[in-house]
Amino acid sequence: DQQVKQNSPSLSVQEGRISILNCDYTNSMFDYFLWYKKYPAEGPTFLISISSIKDKNEDGRFTVFLNKSAKHLSLHIVPSQPGDSAVYFCAARPISNFGNEKLTFGTGTRLTIIP
Amino acid sequence: GAVVSQHPSRVICKSGTSVKIECRSLDFQATTMFWYRQFPKKSLMLMATSNEGSKATYEQGVEKDKFLINHASLTLSTLTVTSAHPEDSSFYICSASPVTAISSNQPQHFGDGTRLSIL
Repeated sequence: DQQVKQNSPSLSVQEGRISILNCDYTNSMFDYFLWYKKYPAEGPTFLISISSIKDKNEDGRFTVFLNKSAKHLSLHIVPSQPGDSAVYFCAARPISNFGNEKLTFGTGTRLTIIP
Repeated sequence: GAVVSQHPSRVICKSGTSVKIECRSLDFQATTMFWYRQFPKKSLMLMATSNEGSKATYEQGVEKDKFLINHASLTLSTLTVTSAHPEDSSFYICSASPVTAISSNQPQHFGDGTRLSIL
């Protein structure tokens, strides 16, 4: 049972344009959502997160939007740069008192930025 | 801040060998660390949750006698793949979160992974 889904395995975007990566989840207990970027043979790098009390969080070129009623989140990257080419994973976890709840990952979307 | 170091980055060894992978939180304490496995072009699969000073919690389908986890200090967890076979070849990644009293919403930070190849 895939509780976190990224339905687009790949996405190609022209340099300078906006990249939009989507993620859907099914578990209503999820309370905290994260996006990670991963290069081959490296561990994931944390990009940005959002808690369920917000619907938007912005950090530089990266913005995450959360629609709790639709159980959907998205990552916007603007403007897209060649260095953004990587696999992007969304992840989610339930409410935690100690911050040590396990993450559930999506299957990833490979983003390719075309120069 | 929040750096996680994983060692070694790559291991190639013969079938039947036991391999130990270390995961260290360099600038924070972590009562909990996580061990993942990633198959080619697949998502990260959580194998187990490593708890400092107590037994690890394994996910369903993960053999605890095969994948031994030790979390002896607040900055170090180890994963030992015992009597490794070719099917154990994979990319293993650990993660940890800084835990503070102020906020529980801290992201997990990952090590750079260990590529294990069993011949």
